[in-house]
Amino acid sequence: ETGVTQSPTHLIKTRGQQVTLRCSSQSGHNTVSWYQQALGQGPQFIFQYYREEENGRGNFPPRFSGLQFPNYSSELNVNALELDDSALYLCASRLGTGQANYGYTFGSGTRLTVV
Amino acid sequence: AQSVTQLDSQVPVFEEAPVELRCNYSSSVSVYLFWYVQYPNQGLQLLLKYLSGSTLVKGINGFEAEFNKSQTSFHLRKPSVHISDTAEYFCVIRGTDKLIFGTGTRLQVFP
Repeated sequence: ETGVTQSPTHLIKTRGQQVTLRCSSQSGHNTVSWYQQALGQGPQFIFQYYREEENGRGNFPPRFSGLQFPNYSSELNVNALELDDSALYLCASRLGTGQANYGYTFGSGTRLTVV
Repeated sequence: AQSVTQLDSQVPVFEEAPVELRCNYSSSVSVYLFWYVQYPNQGLQLLLKYLSGSTLVKGINGFEAEFNKSQTSFHLRKPSVHISDTAEYFCVIRGTDKLIFGTGTRLQVFP
């Protein structure tokens, strides 16, 4: 198992800028989810991709978008950054979708600070 | 709709003492429940999961949890904690294609 790796680990951006966060999923995992964890809070679901298509989305505006690639890597893009976007962004991958019981593997996250 | 409520935001405890972190859930469908741990400046690690079957679930690092359907609870327990157990613990319920996290319980173990 290669695990889930995220890059960069830390990032500082200015309000109004755009940012791209990257995730390399565990080998063979065709489902990837992204979560936002604000300071002192539990992670909140942003969206999920299965076989390169978005198949689930949480309560986040359209300026949060993503991509999933055939090599199991994925990206989270955030446009027009706001101060409240400062958070730890977590990527999680698993095999399958729907009501499958397979477990999620989380990366260590990217800490984004918007100033 | 599904949700989880963690009843304690912080739990201080001395080393080698027992601990219980409380979690209540709400769900109208089949329940899949998890406990995740987050050490400082790290991602999330799965401690244990309940999918079906035995209501007593054993996990890593000596933790266990009991699924109680009548009380809609999934409390996490450890009979003797160590300094290294200091971390944030999240009770999680599996929604449709997503995980729904509680607000977390900060376990602080003192020597």
